[in-house]
Formats: sequence, C-alpha cells, structure tokens
Amino acid sequence: EAGVAQSPRYKIIEKRQSVAFWCNPISGHATLYWYQQILGQGPKLLIQFQNNGVVDDSQLPKDRFSAERLKGVDSTLKIQPAKLEDSAVYLCASSQLSSSDTQYFGPGTRLTVL
Amino acid sequence: TQLLEQSPQFLSIQEGENLTVYCNSSSVFSSLQWYRQEPGEGPVLLVTVVTGGEVKKLKRLTFQFGDARKDSSLHITAAQPGDTGLYLCAGGKDTGRRALTFGSGTRLQVQP
Repeated sequence: EAGVAQSPRYKIIEKRQSVAFWCNPISGHATLYWYQQILGQGPKLLIQFQNNGVVDDSQLPKDRFSAERLKGVDSTLKIQPAKLEDSAVYLCASSQLSSSDTQYFGPGTRLTVL
Repeated sequence: TQLLEQSPQFLSIQEGENLTVYCNSSSVFSSLQWYRQEPGEGPVLLVTVVTGGEVKKLKRLTFQFGDARKDSSLHITAAQPGDTGLYLCAGGKDTGRRALTFGSGTRLQVQP
C-alpha cells in the first residue's frame, strides 16, 4: 500500500513570495491533516479535512494560509505572502474515518523563507 | 490550549543503557500515542494507549499510560543506535475533531 505522498520535498523562497504544497493521502482515507513543525518543536495542526469539508482550521493563519481538498482526495496548502517565521516542515497526514486515531504521515516539505 | 510537556528534551546515551522519556499534561486525553521521527521523514506511530494504567510492550520499548490519563512514559531497555530519533507523544480527544496534540519531542542519540 502506497503511503502519503508530498511534494515538493524542499522549497526555498524569499519573504513575501507565494508557495504551494501538495499532498496525496493513502487511498480511501477520508480524513486529511496539515501540520506545521517548526525546528525543535512537535507538529502543530493547521487544518483538518473530512472528505472535502473542513473540520478544524482554528490554528490556520487565514490571512496568509489557505488550503483546499476539492475532490476529497488530494490537497494543496498555500502560503501567500510568506514570512520568515513560516520556515518549517509542513507535514500531511491521513487517517480512515471510522477507525482509531491512527494517522499516517508523509515525509513533509521543508520550507525555508529567506 | 492543551499542552503536552516532554522531558528530557535531549538525551545522549551509550549503547546498552536504559532510559525513560516522560510526557505530561494537565488535560485528560482519551488516547495517548507515541511516535518516532527520523530526519527528513514524517512521524511513525509506535503505539497507542487508551486505558488509564495501561502498559504496552514493543520489544525493548515499554509504554505506560497514567491512571488519570494525563501522562505517559516510554522506557527503552538496552538502547541501540537504531533507537536514535525524535520521540513524540501525542494526545487524542474522543471528539469528531480527531486531530492530535503533540508534545515538543525528546531527541535521543544512542552512541555505539
């Protein structure tokens, strides 16, 4: 079974530029999560989707971050404009709707904002 | 905000030594999970504990959930270099939200 795929793996941008990350969850997983992991810290939830609906985006900085999961499968996370403090690893995870809380993580995208 | 505090933050030990990592919170969680994360990879689930006082063993790793379901510990016996990594605890709430609250992690280095 293929795992959670993310791209790109690395991205370097200047502050105030825009960037987008892509995630393909495990086939059949209804729930998709985006986490931000700043160096030296644990992952912090940004947004949770169930199918194509948003379950929780309370910690998403909506003035600059946006995310969508239009067809309930792939998802994109966008930052516009980026700030220095957005430098982090962005992790995507997915889980089945009706199972336990087992989340499967992708390898992440490491973003550096200069 | 639910916080999970992990200690120690860093641990460097010799191969063969034993160690314990702690995860504490003021909040009650319905489940507590432990993950290991290696550089350049996402966290990988090691174990889930759901019952207060529960103890689970995974080879040389022993996980315990506190009676009040607010804290947990991970004990590694006879650590090996392959145990090196970032260990994260994560608490889950029994709500539709399902997302996890992660601790800040314990970075373990096992020297051969």
